[in-house]
Amino acid sequence: AQKVTQAQTEISVVEKEDVTLDCVYETRDTTYYLFWYKQPPSGELVFLIRRNSFDEQNEISGRYSWNFQKSTSSFNFTITASQVVDSAVYFCALSEAGYSSASKIIFGSGTRLSIRP
Amino acid sequence: GAVVSQHPSWVICKSGTSVKIECRSLDFQATTMFWYRQFPKQSLMLMATSNEGSKATYEQGVEKDKFLINHASLTLSTLTVTSAHPEDSSFYICSASEPYEQYFGPGTRLTVT
Repeated sequence: AQKVTQAQTEISVVEKEDVTLDCVYETRDTTYYLFWYKQPPSGELVFLIRRNSFDEQNEISGRYSWNFQKSTSSFNFTITASQVVDSAVYFCALSEAGYSSASKIIFGSGTRLSIRP
Repeated sequence: GAVVSQHPSWVICKSGTSVKIECRSLDFQATTMFWYRQFPKQSLMLMATSNEGSKATYEQGVEKDKFLINHASLTLSTLTVTSAHPEDSSFYICSASEPYEQYFGPGTRLTVT
């Protein structure tokens, strides 16, 4: 069975601090995709990244970076120099093997991130 | 990127009535659409997978007679909540797929009084 675990329910940091959101996944598939989404108070999901199971290179996009480690089944997300606008709920997610247009996405429980000014 | 819309964005209905939510892919054709439900402060849970021209596939525990899904065209899927009750109040989100990409709609907030 596939599962995504985000152990951190809520995180609160002061602006400009770095913060890491943890994600651990379980799957029996050798081919899969991992995602991170941001959900601001408006509710609309904002796509942040997709990573396939064969690409373990770390990714950096501005203040955001992702660390994918298959050995520990983790796909962690770090925000550097956090800003108040980063406050949102962040979801880690996993799609089934052979990701295609028809593959359903399984979401973790989410981490509520609050950035205090 | 591709755009998915949902209508209405929010709706209030009385207990016992039915309400229909539309999900449209605006600039692409989607052979598959997914419907998710999100209760307050919880995660998104997949309700059903909808393929154009065929019956929807429901996840375990989702009542197919209560949540009617119709995917009549490549750009439109509808979710009808029949005989709604207060416990059906939730945020409903659809996603639409084109090859190798899924795009999420903005969601519909349903409140049943």
